Parts: sequence; C-alpha cells; structure tokens
Amino acid sequence: AQSVTQLGSHVSVSEGALVLLRCNYSSSVPPYLFWYVQYPNQGLQLLLKYTTGATLVKGINGFEAEFKKSETSFHLTKPSAHMSDAAEYFCAVILYGNNRLAFGKGNQVVVIP
Amino acid sequence: NAGVTQTPKFQVLKTGQSMTLQCAQDMNHEYMSWYRQDPGMGLRLIHYSVGAGITDQGEVPNGYNVSRSTTEDFPLRLLSAAPSQTSVYFCASSYSSEQPQHFGDGTRLSIL
Repeated sequence: AQSVTQLGSHVSVSEGALVLLRCNYSSSVPPYLFWYVQYPNQGLQLLLKYTTGATLVKGINGFEAEFKKSETSFHLTKPSAHMSDAAEYFCAVILYGNNRLAFGKGNQVVVIP
Repeated sequence: NAGVTQTPKFQVLKTGQSMTLQCAQDMNHEYMSWYRQDPGMGLRLIHYSVGAGITDQGEVPNGYNVSRSTTEDFPLRLLSAAPSQTSVYFCASSYSSEQPQHFGDGTRLSIL
C-alpha cells in the first residue's frame, strides 16, 4: 500500500511565483515527515522535517511545510521560486513503530524564466 | 567528515554476474539503508540495518543480500545480476530510523 502520495510528476512554475508541492500520507497515527531535494546527479538532501511540536516547519532555501493532521497532509511551499530551485523533490514518511522510510514518487520542478 | 561514501560511482555488468556495492559512513550512525531509484518510482527500500549484526528486508529485497559486520560499512551484494536491476542505488545513514538520513551520491548500475 502506498504510504505517501505526491501528485503531478512534473511541476512548472514561473520564476518569482509560488511553489506548492502536495504530499498526503496514509496513517491514522501522525508519522514523522520529511521533504528531501535531489539536484541532478546527486544524492538527496534534507529540506525540512516534522516530528512533533509546531506544525509549521521552516527549512533551508526558504522552503516551509505545514503538517495538517485532519487532512493527513504535509505540503511544501516557497513564496517565490528561484532558478536554483529546479530539482526533484520527495516527500517521505516513517510510520509509527516502523523502521522504514517510505518515499513518494517525487515532483520534478521546472522553473521558467 | 566524508559523510556517506559509495563506490563505485558507475558500473556496467553482464547478466548473471555478481558484484558488491560498497557503502561506508564516518558519522557513527547506527541506522543504514539501501534504496534503488527508478524513473517515476521514487526511492524504494531494499534492505536496512539498525545496528551492527542486525539487518532486515525492505520493500524490494529479492536478488540482493546485505551484511553489517561493522558500524561503518553496509555493503549490498547482487547475487546474479538481471537487467531489471539496472538502476541508481543510494546508501543512507542516520543515528536512528526516526532521524533524517544522510545520503551518498549514488551508484549508477547498468545490467546488459
């Protein structure tokens, strides 16, 4: 069963426009949540994480995400896209009591000048 | 600190050959894992380890073996390579399974 859903494999955004990447998880218990970024020919880098506490999480490079338990969502946003944001973004979860990190299928972000 | 080091970076194999992908970390992390990345599939967990001497299967373990004799090293063995194992392989490590994982730069493997 797919634990993490990311819709839209490719996302195009104009430079300076809002970046919004959606992530939904399937669990009745709030999991640990992560967003990772992958630049071409590189490994994954952590953007931000949610474990407990404040539901609005700020990460690197101006990104932030909000955990909404009622919607089982952890959407990633950035107010103003920059050309350097072109990359692939992955949402990932660790379900309660499970040692395994499950990834969504990723969003390839293209920034249009 | 070198972080997570994977070798080789590229490899081409013939069907039926065996090989070992190496992964080493110098952060004293207990948790280590192997993923494969295929277009449109995200990353899928192959095997993981919560400490030296302890390993477990992930989502797609068939055709792969692992062992964890030391904290630092977590090699992945392909027993008899098949074209379906053509992929990019990533090793990752963290202090525990709940902590963010640090990823290596990947091994790009082609099976002919």
